[in-house]
Amino acid sequence: QSMLTQPPSASGTPGQKISISCSGGDSNIGDNYVYWYQHLPGGAPKRLIYRHNQRPSGVPDRFSASTSGTSSSLTISGLRSEDEADYYCAAWDDRIGGVLFGGGTRLTVL
Amino acid sequence: DVQLVESGGGVVQPGGSLRLSCEISGFTFEDFGMHWVRQRPGKGLEWVSQISWDGGSTSYAESVKGRFTISRDNSRNSLFLQMDSLRREDTALYYCAKYAGDTNGYDAWGQGTPVTVSS
Repeated sequence: QSMLTQPPSASGTPGQKISISCSGGDSNIGDNYVYWYQHLPGGAPKRLIYRHNQRPSGVPDRFSASTSGTSSSLTISGLRSEDEADYYCAAWDDRIGGVLFGGGTRLTVL
Repeated sequence: DVQLVESGGGVVQPGGSLRLSCEISGFTFEDFGMHWVRQRPGKGLEWVSQISWDGGSTSYAESVKGRFTISRDNSRNSLFLQMDSLRREDTALYYCAKYAGDTNGYDAWGQGTPVTVSS
């Protein structure tokens, strides 16, 4: 497995709730914590979620995540225009001895 | 404030070498593992390499194994990536990232330094 599986795109209107899925395997999500990152064009990635579902201070509670088995899901409630960005899931992978990222999901706020 | 500042990127011919640096401030560098992550044009984030807090353990993505070498100098709060035998597919924005452990993931990133491999 060269990367975790995410949908390439997602969209929603302001105020809507959307979810982004992330699928992996036993050596990554199935055995290690999942992280979610937000990446705005031209900027550094920002950690949104760690330890499957924990938010760092400063991240709005509109962002939440859940993990079950070898899959995870990021949910954004009350969608805002500034949420338009690329979103990546990631997890340590025991086979490669490093971090495996998802392919990224580009979120468009219509 | 935590800061990670990459440097050393540039344009290099296929087969050439570059050495990236990442200078850190705002946290105790020697307490944390550090990683390099890259983003190729139009693609997603890709893990490249990691080094333990003391430099005693390293690992690499298959795509760079044998060509890239990660190192660190804790006395200078600096992380390095020596990139040899560069290929066109190594063209990317290279980020250094602070790894806050398996439970916390990357909690700080630099802005990235661009590497272009082209003749």
